[in-house]
Amino acid sequence: DARVTQTPRHKVTEMGQEVTMRCQPILGHNTVFWYRQTMMQGLELLAYFRNRAPLDDSGMPKDRFSAEMPDATLATLKIQPSEPRDSAVYFCASAPTGNYDEQYFGPGTRLTVT
Amino acid sequence: AQSVAQPEDQVNVAEGNPLTVKCTYSVSGNPYLFWYVQYPNRGLQFLLKYITGDNLVKGSYGFEAEFNKSQTSFHLKKPSALVSDSALYFCAVRDMRDTGGFKTIFGAGTRLFVKA
Repeated sequence: DARVTQTPRHKVTEMGQEVTMRCQPILGHNTVFWYRQTMMQGLELLAYFRNRAPLDDSGMPKDRFSAEMPDATLATLKIQPSEPRDSAVYFCASAPTGNYDEQYFGPGTRLTVT
Repeated sequence: AQSVAQPEDQVNVAEGNPLTVKCTYSVSGNPYLFWYVQYPNRGLQFLLKYITGDNLVKGSYGFEAEFNKSQTSFHLKKPSALVSDSALYFCAVRDMRDTGGFKTIFGAGTRLFVKA
């Protein structure tokens, strides 16, 4: 049963610290999405990649957020410096080639910035 | 711009009764429509999608959804609810013309509570 994995599952950090979240998409999926979920804003698309290339990161605050795919098995989302308003659950999702609309979500990283 | 509205924050239904979770959408072109379910402390799971064809779409776990173009709705339904269906349900839409990217817009979610 293939799954998207995310690490860490929980992260508590102080304001100003760097945070790195990692995602391993399902093997063979070539589209990867990063979402943020908060009570106030719901589920927001931050960025997505196709074949490791960033297609759109317009949903991401550029000054502090960055997303990369160093290889096909790893996607990263970094926040530097982190702020309390970044507290949220961050989800990674992947989708298979040719069926981009069926997204498989990871369990999420719950980030708390104090 | 595309948008999705889920007018109910919560839906309560007794086990064994039919359930409906409502969704309306707005897109400039023709829509691709989706339903996802989220269980506590888990990521979203894909339930079903409408791309084209039959207005009644069947999905996982006995769920189905009906596309109504005139009412711009895509309500999720199940003939007989189970306690285990209790979860957060998200409707989502993508503009069919958005072939260069895949910006799927999600609704705010509706919490379904099925009482035994």
